[in-house]
Amino acid sequence: GAGVSQSPSNKVTEKGKDVELRCDPISGHTALYWYRQSLGQGLEFLIYFQGNSAPDKSGLPSDRFSAERTGGSVSTLTIQRTQQEDSAVYLCASSFFAGGSSYEQYFGPGTRLTVT
Amino acid sequence: AQSVSQHNHHVILSEAASLELGCNYSYGGTVNLFWYVQYPGQHLQLLLKYFSGDPLVKGIKGFEAEFIKSKFSFNLRKPSVQWSDTAEYFCAVNPRPNTGTASKLTFGTGTRLQVTL
Repeated sequence: GAGVSQSPSNKVTEKGKDVELRCDPISGHTALYWYRQSLGQGLEFLIYFQGNSAPDKSGLPSDRFSAERTGGSVSTLTIQRTQQEDSAVYLCASSFFAGGSSYEQYFGPGTRLTVT
Repeated sequence: AQSVSQHNHHVILSEAASLELGCNYSYGGTVNLFWYVQYPGQHLQLLLKYFSGDPLVKGIKGFEAEFIKSKFSFNLRKPSVQWSDTAEYFCAVNPRPNTGTASKLTFGTGTRLQVTL
């Protein structure tokens, strides 16, 4: 079946511009997660959605970062006034959630963001 | 907060050699444990998982891992590696909360495995 998809696959932007990254989770997965992967920091958690609400936003590095999820499906991660340190691969994952338990997370291919 | 340590950062093995990659975690409660693999140019894929039950779990491509609760470890093993196993391997944990919410993964820093012919 279809996996997690993300768009764009690559994004180059100038410092100070805003960017939007999109994630389409696996159909039926109610939990959705954003992570980022960078050379210096490894894999870091950003935010997690259960349905359309975000119970855990603890990983968002600054108030320039925000995310939303609509219809319990697609999610958008927005970075305002991008900085060079925002350059990374942004990963989205989704998981099935039922009976008070979450299951394994499946990852998308990521969006490589380069801020020049 | 939980943390994950992977002690081997870069491992080079010849084909047919045996593999063991270490993973230790720090967390006071019950956790789920995972190994993910990232082949060159590809995205993270789940290799195997442990939620409960038999502490020896088998995954895809002949990999297995053993959960030793007393050692807070979840080491990855393969008896005979192949050139195609060249990849980066990540150990990850997430707490098993009582609150009925899902939880984030905390990853180790990864181990780059290079298998030579």
